[in-house]
Amino acid sequence: EAGVTQFPSHSVIEKGQTVTLRCDPISGHDNLYWYRRVMGKEIKFLLHFVKESKQDESGMPNNRFLAERTGGTYSTLKVQPAELEDSGVYFCASSQEGGTSGNLLGQYFGPGTRLTVT
Amino acid sequence: GQNIDQPTEMTATEGAIVQINCTYQTSGFNGLFWYQQHAGEAPTFLSYNVLDGLEEKGRFSSFLSRSKGYSYLLLKELQMKDSASYLCAVSRDNYGQNFVFGPGTRLSVLP
Repeated sequence: EAGVTQFPSHSVIEKGQTVTLRCDPISGHDNLYWYRRVMGKEIKFLLHFVKESKQDESGMPNNRFLAERTGGTYSTLKVQPAELEDSGVYFCASSQEGGTSGNLLGQYFGPGTRLTVT
Repeated sequence: GQNIDQPTEMTATEGAIVQINCTYQTSGFNGLFWYQQHAGEAPTFLSYNVLDGLEEKGRFSSFLSRSKGYSYLLLKELQMKDSASYLCAVSRDNYGQNFVFGPGTRLSVLP
């Protein structure tokens, strides 16, 4: 079974530019999550999709970030315009259908996209 | 607020036992997870505790005390490949996995 994949693995852009990150979850996983880890800090939750619907986007830092999951399969996270403080590693994770942690073995993470804004 | 604490770094010897502690204060609790992350790779799931007590899985065990807001990950018979960061994460609610992550503990296993 293929794992969670993310593209690109690295992205270097200039301040003010736009970047779109992509996440392909494990096939059949309804839940998809975005996280990010800025330098020296802990991983922080950004948002959670259940299929194509945003279940919780309380972690999105501001309106420069837009996440979509059309059709409930892959997801994109767009940063427009990018700022220096957006640099970090953006992780995507997916998990099976189910509303409670007790029914799940845990989220499966992708390898992350390292974003550098210069 | 949400707060999870872990030691920043630990060092242990191959073949030894190491215990990585995690304390948490979160609004809502629906389980505690431990993840292993090698540099540049995805965090991988190790264990999950939602009830008090010890969960054992091979060389790894995880313990939870909800009243104390405390968990630990116990690694036995350490191997060089166990050198990695270990992340403690708390799931806050019942309808998703809105994780709050700790800063991670970087474990170095020496020969």
